[in-house]
Amino acid sequence: QITLKESGPTLVRPTQTLTLTCTLSGISLSTSGVGVGWIRQPPGKALEWLALIYWDETTRYRPSLRNRLTIGQDTSKNQVVLNMTNMDPVDSGTYSCAHYNGDVFHVWGLGTTVTVS
Amino acid sequence: SYVLTQPPSVSVAPGQTATITCGGNNIGDKRVHWYQQRPGQAPVLVLSGDNDRPSRIPVRFSGSNPGNTATLKIVRVELGDEADYYCQVWESSGDHVVFGGGTKLTVL
Repeated sequence: QITLKESGPTLVRPTQTLTLTCTLSGISLSTSGVGVGWIRQPPGKALEWLALIYWDETTRYRPSLRNRLTIGQDTSKNQVVLNMTNMDPVDSGTYSCAHYNGDVFHVWGLGTTVTVS
Repeated sequence: SYVLTQPPSVSVAPGQTATITCGGNNIGDKRVHWYQQRPGQAPVLVLSGDNDRPSRIPVRFSGSNPGNTATLKIVRVELGDEADYYCQVWESSGDHVVFGGGTKLTVL
């Protein structure tokens, strides 16, 4: 059974950098075809994809946020880390990671709530 | 950039059929995936590749994707189907993921 769990700060000050960690279980980041994506959801609003990283460390970013995002992986810990710079109150919301394979998000974490204030 | 358009809301009575659309330019050329998000919960994949259901998803859920509009159909709607539904594609020209704006399904 594949599970993902997000962790990170619940409160971030404006202009600070947000660092979130996604820990995977039941699947290895080293497995061919495996990817992990980050998606956020402002309160009461729609899902918004942020970034992807594949097993071979190929990355993809939301075009409008490309200059603020960095995604990386630590295969020894089976973790994916997302950094988002220059945080603003409009960046508040629930941040989730999800297992990505074949252009589909198959399994999602429960998400972690981030408030920028 | 590629845009997926969904109706903000759909209402249906229990036992009836709910149809949720997802419009996009030549969306029929792409694989469309659908997610269900119940209030306060994480999204769950209900259909992938236009009409493939994960084993845990009831057969009441089906999809189609001709032309410029993909469709999620839920027959014999139940109270437990009340949720937000999102469509998603991979935009190959820009190499990125696109979600629709979501549709709130209300079961009256």
